[in-house]
Amino acid sequence: GAVVSQHPSWVICKSGTSVKIECRSLDFQATTMFWYRQFPKQSLMLMATSNEGSKATYEQGVEKDKFLINHASLTLSTLTVTSAHPEDSSFYICSARSGLVGASGFFGPGTRLTVL
Amino acid sequence: AQKITQTQPGMFVQEKEAVTLDCTYDTSDQSYGLFWYKQPSSGEMIFLIYQGSYDEQNATEGRYSLNFQKARKSANLVISASQLGDSAMYFCAMREGRDSSASKIIFGSGTRLSIRP
Repeated sequence: GAVVSQHPSWVICKSGTSVKIECRSLDFQATTMFWYRQFPKQSLMLMATSNEGSKATYEQGVEKDKFLINHASLTLSTLTVTSAHPEDSSFYICSARSGLVGASGFFGPGTRLTVL
Repeated sequence: AQKITQTQPGMFVQEKEAVTLDCTYDTSDQSYGLFWYKQPSSGEMIFLIYQGSYDEQNATEGRYSLNFQKARKSANLVISASQLGDSAMYFCAMREGRDSSASKIIFGSGTRLSIRP
C-alpha cells in the first residue's frame, strides 16, 4: 500500500520555540493532505486541509497563524507550530489522499510533540 | 452536532469470541463513505474497512465486516474470532459528499477494545 512518512516521530521543545513537522507521501502524489491533532485518550481532530500550491483551509477554532501549513509540492506538506506552549503538546498525524490511491487515504505514523 | 457517535468507550472480550463495535452517524448527504480504523498503542492509524453509501452489500475484509444499516444510520464493525492482537483503539469515521481527494474524514470518539486471553 501507499506509504506516508512523518518527521520527526517525536520532538521535545521549550515553550516559545517553533517546531516544524514534515509529512511526505513516498510513492504517490498527494494533491491534498490533512493534519489532525490527537490529545491523550481522545479522538483525532481535523485541524486543516492542505492543498498543493494553495492556502490551507483551517477548521473552526484552529489558529492559522499559530499552525502554519505549507504544501510546497505534491509529496510534501509541513506543519509548523509557532511559539509552542505546553497546551500544544499532542500527537500530530497527517493523512495524504489522492484520487488514484483509494478512498481511505493513508496516514502517517504521527509525531508526538512535547512542549516543556 | 456530533456527526459520528461511538457509545462504547471501552469493551472487554474473551479471545476467539466475536465482537461488535457500535457506530452511528449523522449526515444529510446522499453520498458518503464510512470507515473503521484501528489504532494500537504505537499510534499509527490502520485502515480496516470501508463502506460506501451506495454499496448494497456489507463490506467484508477478512475477519472484519461492517454491518451497514442505512436507514438507522449505523455502521457497526464486527470482528470475528478475536485475537489478542486486536486489542487497540478503534475509530469509526465518515467522509461526507462524493469521494474526492479533498474530502475530509472526521472521526468518532473511539472504542478501546481489550481482548482477554
